[in-house]
Amino acid sequence: DAKTTQPNSMESNEEEPVHLPCNHSTISGTDYIHWYRQLPSQGPEYVIHGLTSNVNNRMASLAIAEDRKSSTLILHRATLRDAAVYYCILSPTGNQFYFGTGTSLTVIP
Amino acid sequence: KAGVTQTPRYLIKTRGQQVTLSCSPISGHRSVSWYQQTPGQGLQFLFEYFSETQRNKGNFPGRFSGRQFSNSRSEMNVSTLELGDSALYLCASSRGGTGPLGTEAFFGQGTRLTVV
Repeated sequence: DAKTTQPNSMESNEEEPVHLPCNHSTISGTDYIHWYRQLPSQGPEYVIHGLTSNVNNRMASLAIAEDRKSSTLILHRATLRDAAVYYCILSPTGNQFYFGTGTSLTVIP
Repeated sequence: KAGVTQTPRYLIKTRGQQVTLSCSPISGHRSVSWYQQTPGQGLQFLFEYFSETQRNKGNFPGRFSGRQFSNSRSEMNVSTLELGDSALYLCASSRGGTGPLGTEAFFGQGTRLTVV
């Protein structure tokens, strides 16, 4: 299973943009890049996913490098409710995820 | 629409016993996956069921098993419980398409199992 590398923790000021990086140098052609987040005492929550092109939704944007060996999750304006562990996962489907340790995001008021 | 429902939310069992956990997926979803979350190992994939068949399996011993019913509801069973099985067990449902579809998965709130 292709692995991802994320920083253990990051901090952001409230209402500022946050860029969460993920390296995945062994990504295969069929792997989608998925981002999930887990708030305290809750199950993981879908954030966004993409294959090759940059993706936007109401929650975030996903910027994918041209060689697909890295990606960045962008939260445009961090709020206190965005404090969570963010997981970057590679999978050809949405049915089987091998989670890494993720990035713990702290949002400073 | 209703989300993924897991029952029970909390469970305390004694070492050596067995336990069954239940997961009701979102209506129309045919894939149910199970995960174990512990502070030491993080989130680990157990197995995935699709149309009543186990389609994918993680690296867990045979004491961990599951099944899926015709209405897509799934159960997970752990036999001969060990102290190390204490964890949050999460299930996720998705439409379950095969191949490079990258579908969105919806997670339940989990069942907190404590083995004493």
